[in-house]
Amino acid sequence: RKEVEQDPGPFNVPEGATVAFNCTYSNSASQSFFWYRQDCRKEPKLLMSVYSSGNEDGRFTAQLNRASQYISLLIRDSKLSDSATYLCVAPYGNNRLAFGKGNQVVVIP
Amino acid sequence: IAGITQAPTSQILAAGRRMTLRCTQDMRHNAMYWYRQDLGLGLRLIHYSNTAGTTGKGEVPDGYSVSRANTDDFPLTLASAVPSQTSVYFCASSYTSGSDEQFFGPGTRLTVL
Repeated sequence: RKEVEQDPGPFNVPEGATVAFNCTYSNSASQSFFWYRQDCRKEPKLLMSVYSSGNEDGRFTAQLNRASQYISLLIRDSKLSDSATYLCVAPYGNNRLAFGKGNQVVVIP
Repeated sequence: IAGITQAPTSQILAAGRRMTLRCTQDMRHNAMYWYRQDLGLGLRLIHYSNTAGTTGKGEVPDGYSVSRANTDDFPLTLASAVPSQTSVYFCASSYTSGSDEQFFGPGTRLTVL
């Protein structure tokens, strides 16, 4: 099982709608997680950190489910500018970070 | 404050040539990393450095070497480039080598012909 797995999508979302996607991780000892946003041909940038039960930042909510070993990201009231790839990140052996391949979100006018 | 810078932005290279990608950070981060990103494969760790003077191999180290003479700089060298090394290369850094968030440079787009 890969350290981090994501459904690549694309997730086509009407503007103003809500979209949510999950990411599964294999290291049950992981304590902290991250969601990064990556725009086309740009570097990944931190969107939010996910500790304990979850985190919320404006229209973005991240949840952690330790029992099932997944984290989720929910985007409310989607904007055109939310179109990007969202990378799930979890720690794995030797204190490294494992990056998922990303969930591609396309917000449609 | 620049954060992390990489040079060059892009490069076209003939196979067999030697190439060094530069990475510099001004955040006094202890740990630095080199990733390559290819379509459908995501980010893959090439080499890392937990602190100045130390380096380690990541997931795909073959054909690459690194050095960490000081805190700020972490160059990546391709001794003899091959077409399969065509990729986008990202340098990143974090305060420690544990599970801290990583900050990325803008990337170098390398094409090996």
